[in-house]
Amino acid sequence: QSVLTQPPSASGTPGQRVTISCSGSSSNIGSRPVNWYQQVPGMAPKLLMHNHNQRPSGVPDRFSGSKSGTSASLAISGLQSEDEADYYCATWDDSLDALVFGGGTRLTVL
Amino acid sequence: QVRLVDSGGGVVQPGGSLRLSCAASGFIFNTYAMHWVRQAPGKGLEWVAMIWYDGSHTHYIDSVKGRFTISRDNSRNTQYLQMNSLRVEDTAVYYCVRDPPGSGWAFDVWGQGTMVTVSS
Repeated sequence: QSVLTQPPSASGTPGQRVTISCSGSSSNIGSRPVNWYQQVPGMAPKLLMHNHNQRPSGVPDRFSGSKSGTSASLAISGLQSEDEADYYCATWDDSLDALVFGGGTRLTVL
Repeated sequence: QVRLVDSGGGVVQPGGSLRLSCAASGFIFNTYAMHWVRQAPGKGLEWVAMIWYDGSHTHYIDSVKGRFTISRDNSRNTQYLQMNSLRVEDTAVYYCVRDPPGSGWAFDVWGQGTMVTVSS
């Protein structure tokens, strides 16, 4: 049971917009920056978004992030087949004194 | 270029030990905090441990406290994870990751991962 809750799966057709949620609490998302990672099966994860909504160099602007209270979300617009991957949110939890990941969301492009 | 190379994984019996290494290159190693993140087969990501840029502070997930020790040698641009009293549930790919200062734990560089299998 992850401290950060994500839906296990999401899907969309090419060109659509999909959103992945990440729910936490006041000891993590509510007080700390949220980061998102993309992992293509068989590969190491890649930083996709940091500090809620900052894209690292090279990440397309189709990806956007937001945070409100104790929840965060990742939005992907103009969905492409190459976006099919697992997505994880993460942040520090002050109560656990540990970094925590969400359980991950597998995105399928239909 | 910026690179992290993980090594040291293998097959070990329950109760055994392994030491993982992570060789860094292409950046000023002693200015970055470093972490280990693991992923059990078919499962999600799990943070394991972190060490400050100067080695002065460490943090661990509860399940490895007292069994794992994270360390670094800034003169060799290398970090380590000493794993003792290994359990079957420690079986995973272990990734070395870089944590830029002030980034809010945004892991911007990952090693390729090294597989640890604990089995009798």
